[in-house]
Amino acid sequence: DTGVSQDPRHKITKRGQNVTFRCDPISEHNRLYWYRQTLGQGPEFLTYFQNEAQLEKSRLLSDRFSAERPKGSFSTLEIQRTEQGDSAMYLCASSSGLAGAHEQYFGPGTRLTVT
Amino acid sequence: AQTVTQSQPEMSVQEAETVTLSCTYDTSESDYYLFWYKQPPSRQMILVIRQEAYKQQNATENRFSVNFQKAAKSFSLKISDSQLGDAAMYFCAYTEDSNYQLIWGAGTKLIIKP
Repeated sequence: DTGVSQDPRHKITKRGQNVTFRCDPISEHNRLYWYRQTLGQGPEFLTYFQNEAQLEKSRLLSDRFSAERPKGSFSTLEIQRTEQGDSAMYLCASSSGLAGAHEQYFGPGTRLTVT
Repeated sequence: AQTVTQSQPEMSVQEAETVTLSCTYDTSESDYYLFWYKQPPSRQMILVIRQEAYKQQNATENRFSVNFQKAAKSFSLKISDSQLGDAAMYFCAYTEDSNYQLIWGAGTKLIIKP
């Protein structure tokens, strides 16, 4: 079990550019989550997948954000027309989906800096 | 809406001593799950301990234990024999069966003094 991985670990982009992040969950975990964390704060929920279905999406997630999990394995989070306010750590987590197993396991995050 | 409050932005403790981090939450649900996560500087979020609301027994994991007071909606974390490696941000989080997202407190920065 290699844990949750995220790529890239760091991304610097200019305002207005599009960026895409990838998350590979723990194998056989059917639930995958994206969170955003700004410095000194707790994470904020963005979206959640069960297998390939996106079941929940935060109102924080503007139309510029889109997430996919096409085959129920890895997921991508795309931000279009980035803004300086998008600068944050983007965290991915996964959980098994077994009854009562609500603990989520996190990846190292992707730190986005928009200049 | 469910909320999680951590009232201690920062705590410090002498190495080898015991420290307790506080967390309170608000919910109208009877079945839910509570977690403490640790986030060392520039490192990833690590699960420390979990507690199911239906369990009366407090969870323990080695040097980490919780004091779960369901009626008071309180969920504190006790770290015994503090070690330098315990220095991190500690986050309290809540979830329930019908809503899989984690709801987080603002975190407590724990400083270990050698």
